Amino acid sequence: AQSVTQLGSHVSVSEGALVLLRCNYSSSVPPYLFWYVQYPNQGLQLLLKYTSAATLVKGINGFEAEFKKSETSFHLTKPSAHMSDAAEYFCAVRGTSGGSYIPTFGRGTSLIVHP
Amino acid sequence: NAGVTQTPKFQVLKTGQSMTLQCAQDMNHNSMYWYRQDPGMGLRLIYYSASEGTTDKGEVPNGYNVSRLNKREFSLRLESAAPSQTSVYFCASTGKGRADSGNQPQHFGDGTRLSIL
Repeated sequence: AQSVTQLGSHVSVSEGALVLLRCNYSSSVPPYLFWYVQYPNQGLQLLLKYTSAATLVKGINGFEAEFKKSETSFHLTKPSAHMSDAAEYFCAVRGTSGGSYIPTFGRGTSLIVHP
Repeated sequence: NAGVTQTPKFQVLKTGQSMTLQCAQDMNHNSMYWYRQDPGMGLRLIYYSASEGTTDKGEVPNGYNVSRLNKREFSLRLESAAPSQTSVYFCASTGKGRADSGNQPQHFGDGTRLSIL
């Protein structure tokens, strides 16, 4: 069985500050890991993905995430927050189930950016 | 390129009514999924279809049925709507080529906002 835990349902930062959104996973096999972003009244969009090629993954809009196997973590960071980064962020893991790669999502973290 | 298209975008039903949510993708994806999103609960998988002709239950299938009409279309049906099914429903797809290798991301529609009174 696989699971994803996102620490903090809400994270609040000032514009220009570091963004850190935490994600820990459990998986019985080497996982494929994803971060998605959801803007109001929209579906989820891919930010970045880890597929074992490199532990530090760069995504769109200046975000990056580091895969740490020893800590079973895949935290999302951005050096400097913009107002436009305010959104809901979801971490997801894809593991196998009967030959199908079923995704499991965390409960999401709402990023609030203050001027 | 439309991606994943969901219809309708909004719907209000009365308890006991039935309804079908439609989803179509134009990316030649093999796998399609239906989720519901509720505040604080993230996305919960209702049903999925790993390939044309197959469907399987997800985490919260009770009260729902699905049909994989063809490779492009995957519909979700509520036979007798209940207030607990008030939610935002998302369809997603993934998996180009012969098989889904797991490293491909999902593509999501913009959702159907469903209220059941």
